[in-house]
Amino acid sequence: EVQLVQSGAEVQKSGESLKISCRGSGYTFTNYWIGWVRQMPGKGLEWMGILYPGHSDIRYNPSFQGQVTISADESFSTAYLQWRSLRASDTGVYYCARHVMVPGGFSGVDVWGQGTTVTVSS
Amino acid sequence: DIQMTQSPSSVSASVGDRVTISCRASRAIGSWLAWYQQKPGKAPKLLISTASSLQSGVPSRISGSGSGTHFTLTISSLQPEDFATYYCHQTNSFPFTFGPGTKVHIK
Repeated sequence: EVQLVQSGAEVQKSGESLKISCRGSGYTFTNYWIGWVRQMPGKGLEWMGILYPGHSDIRYNPSFQGQVTISADESFSTAYLQWRSLRASDTGVYYCARHVMVPGGFSGVDVWGQGTTVTVSS
Repeated sequence: DIQMTQSPSSVSASVGDRVTISCRASRAIGSWLAWYQQKPGKAPKLLISTASSLQSGVPSRISGSGSGTHFTLTISSLQPEDFATYYCHQTNSFPFTFGPGTKVHIK
C-alpha cells in the first residue's frame, strides 16, 4: 500500500526550531515529487513547496521561501519540513503531499500524509 | 501567482440534489486543475485530475469539466458521504495554488 506517514503533533514556543518528517512507503520514493501543504485552523489549503528527491530540485511558494526549508533523505524515503525560528502564526496542520507528474506537467496530489499538527505558543 | 476563486463559498443541499461548484483561474491554466474533497480532521482526497479525469474509486456521480480559466465540479445526486469541503488546485505553474474551498452542508 502506498502511504505517507508523518511525525507526531508538536507543541513549541515562539523562536524555537522544529523539523517534521514524512516517510513514504509502498513506492519508489525518488520517482515522485513530494511537497508540503499548510492548513491554518479553520482555513483553507496553502501550497508551500515541492521537492524532487535525489535531484535536489526544490520549488518554494514565495510566501514561504525563507521561512521554511524543505528537504529529503532518499536513503530513508523521508521528506522534511523545517523551521529555524517558529512564530505563533505557524500554528496549523501540515500535510505532506505526493505530486504526480504526467507528460506535460503535474496532474495533482494523489497521496497525502495524515497531517502533523504544529502548535506554537507565544 | 495564479489566483483561484470558487463559488459559492458554501452551499446547503439535500440528499439527491445536483450540486455544481465553480472554480476560476486568474489566467489560463489549460487543463491543469485538480479537485479534492476534505472532511473535518482528515487529509484531502483527490477526486479529479487534469480537469476531468475521475480518480479510481471515486463514484461516477462526481464529474469535472472545463479548461482555460473556468472549471466546474458536479455531483449529480448528492449522497450523505458527499457533505464535505471541496477545493480546486491549479498545477499549471509554480507556485501551485488552491481555491478557498466550497463547503457543502446539509439543508
